[in-house]
Amino acid sequence: QKEVEQNSGPLSVPEGAIASLNCTYSDRGSQSFFWYRQYSGKSPELIMSIYSNGDKEDGRFTAQLNKASQYVSLLIRDSQPSDSATYLCVSLRKGSNYQLIWGAGTKLIIKP
Amino acid sequence: DADVTQTPRNRITKTGKRIMLECSQTKGHDRMYWYRQDPGLGLQLIYYSFDVKDINKGEISDGYSVSRQAQAKFSLSLESAIPNQTALYFCATSDRTGGTYNEQFFGPGTRLTVL
Repeated sequence: QKEVEQNSGPLSVPEGAIASLNCTYSDRGSQSFFWYRQYSGKSPELIMSIYSNGDKEDGRFTAQLNKASQYVSLLIRDSQPSDSATYLCVSLRKGSNYQLIWGAGTKLIIKP
Repeated sequence: DADVTQTPRNRITKTGKRIMLECSQTKGHDRMYWYRQDPGLGLQLIYYSFDVKDINKGEISDGYSVSRQAQAKFSLSLESAIPNQTALYFCATSDRTGGTYNEQFFGPGTRLTVL
């Protein structure tokens, strides 16, 4: 079992709709979580971080964390074609010398 | 100017050759990292360094070595390149005072092909 699991997709969403990206993690010791966006052939770009249960909103993005269910999600409202990318879910394992554990990513396609 | 730079951006080499990938940063961060990414896979940590005298192996360090020449410079070497080291390589940095987040910031990547 991978430590951080994501559906590889592609997830196809109409322009203007809400895109919902999900992630589960296996290590209950994980303390912080990040969502990175990666365009094809480019480097990952941090878009959201969350470390407490509940929701965290930043513009069109909302990150959600449920530690009891070991579940992290990212909602993108009013999806735009420019949101088409691979979204990487990442956890920070407590006591791991600050190593990040990376999911393989979900490819998101926003259809005009 | 970019905060994290990598050179070269693209490199084609032959099996058995020694090559070096370089990373420089102007963010003033203490921590630096080298990752590789294979198509369809997540990032895998090769080596990381918390300061000039603190270098640690990551999950896939075999066949690689690193040098932290200064706070701002971190180089990755492939001593004898092999075809399955063909991948996209990223350098990243993070700030020691970043609290619990350890947010990492990435360079543009080096696309390496080993023939």
